[in-house]
Amino acid sequence: KNQVEQSPQSLIILEGKNCTLQCNYTVSPFSNLRWYKQDTGRGPVSLTIMTFSENTKSNGRYTATLDADTKQSSLHITASQLSDSASYICVVSPASGGSYIPTFGRGTSLIVHP
Amino acid sequence: DAGVTQSPTHLIKTRGQQVTLRCSPKSGHDTVSWYQQALGQGPQFIFQYYEEEERQRGNFPDRFSGHQFPNYSSELNVNALLLGDSALYLCASSQQGRTYEQYFGPGTRLTVT
Repeated sequence: KNQVEQSPQSLIILEGKNCTLQCNYTVSPFSNLRWYKQDTGRGPVSLTIMTFSENTKSNGRYTATLDADTKQSSLHITASQLSDSASYICVVSPASGGSYIPTFGRGTSLIVHP
Repeated sequence: DAGVTQSPTHLIKTRGQQVTLRCSPKSGHDTVSWYQQALGQGPQFIFQYYEEEERQRGNFPDRFSGHQFPNYSSELNVNALLLGDSALYLCASSQQGRTYEQYFGPGTRLTVT
């Protein structure tokens, strides 16, 4: 069964600090992995997308890494801001010629305090 | 260029009732997927529509049904509502074959009392 596990479940940091969120997956064969940011009660917004051949992708203060061998990904947030407070969701898509159903993690809830 | 839009924003229904949620995809997109997101959980795939047909379906009962119109917009219908159907319902659109680049709408918050 395809699964995506995220850790930690929640995280509280002070404004200006860095943090790293983790994502482990069992989806196989693997096509791509995306990190989304979701504000409370809103739809997810894509931050990064990586294929199996990529091991790092940046989007401003967000940097995602991928190790396809160990099936692990991380999202590093640099110099956090209050607006970074949100849920961060890891989504893994299978490589399939026919059926396609992405697997979502439960998300990491990040709270940035002033 | 409007992104994915959904209506209504919020909805309150009573157990046993039926509900219809609507979604308009991003311009240039022809594929619509629906997700259910319970509080504190990740989105769960309900089904995907392309060319007015349901192409793939997640693990949801037949009470959940949908429709796609010629203009690519879509509806999600839920019959015989249960308290457990209370959730944020997300619509995502993409181009066929590029579901990994889907864009999400703001969602419809459904509360069943």
